[in-house]
Amino acid sequence: GAVVSQHPSWVICKSGTSVKIECRSLDFQATTMFWYRQFPKQSLMLMATSNEGSKATYEQGVEKDKFLINHASLTLSTLTVTSAHPEDSSFYICSARKPSSSSYEQYFGPGTRLTVT
Amino acid sequence: AQSVAQPEDQVNVAEGNPLTVKCTYSVSGNPYLFWYVQYPNRGLQFLLKYITGDNLVKGSYGFEAEFNKSQTSFHLKKPSALVSDSALYFCAVRGYGNNRLAFGKGNQVVVIP
Repeated sequence: GAVVSQHPSWVICKSGTSVKIECRSLDFQATTMFWYRQFPKQSLMLMATSNEGSKATYEQGVEKDKFLINHASLTLSTLTVTSAHPEDSSFYICSARKPSSSSYEQYFGPGTRLTVT
Repeated sequence: AQSVAQPEDQVNVAEGNPLTVKCTYSVSGNPYLFWYVQYPNRGLQFLLKYITGDNLVKGSYGFEAEFNKSQTSFHLKKPSALVSDSALYFCAVRGYGNNRLAFGKGNQVVVIP
C-alpha cells in the first residue's frame, strides 16, 4: 500500500497564531513530499516541494517565511503557517512520492481544513 | 511548461448512462498522465495512470481512460455511471524528468438518479 496521513484534519485558529500541519507516509519512505493549497471548487496549487534533509523549494509567489516546511525524516514533513490571517484559510493537502516508482506517482493525504478567525 | 485543460466545469449524467470527463494536456516529451477523484473535504484518490504501453488504461471503480497522442488527450470514461460517482475529478500530467504534477482545474461530475 501507499498511505499518507495528515494531522490535524481540521483546525481553527485565531489570527496571528501559528499552526503546524503534519504529513506522514505510513507504509513507505518518501524522499519527496509536496504541499498543495486548494480553494473551494478550485484546483490544487503547488506551494512547495519538500526533500528530506534539505530546504524546501517554494513555488513563485509563496512566502517561505510564512509557510515553513520541514522534512525532517523520510516519513514526515510539516507545514507551519506562521502568523496566520483569515486569507490563509484554505484546504491544505500533502502528497508523497515513492522514489522506487518509475512513474513517480504521488500519493495524497486526506487534507487539512484550516480556518483562521 | 506542462499544463492540463479540463474544458467543462460540470458534467451532468443520468445514472446508468456513460460518463466522459475530458482532458487535454501539453508537455514536453512523453507524458505521464493521471486521473484523481476528490470527494468533499477529502484528499485526492488515485483512479488510474498512463505511463506507457496500451493506450486504454483501466483503473479503479470501473473507470478507464484512453491516451490519444495525436490529440494530446486523456479522457476519463465509465460505461455506466453511479450516483456515488458524483465528485470532483482532476486530470494531471507530468513530463519525463519533471518532478511536479500539473493539475487541471477539475470537473464536477453530477450523476442524477
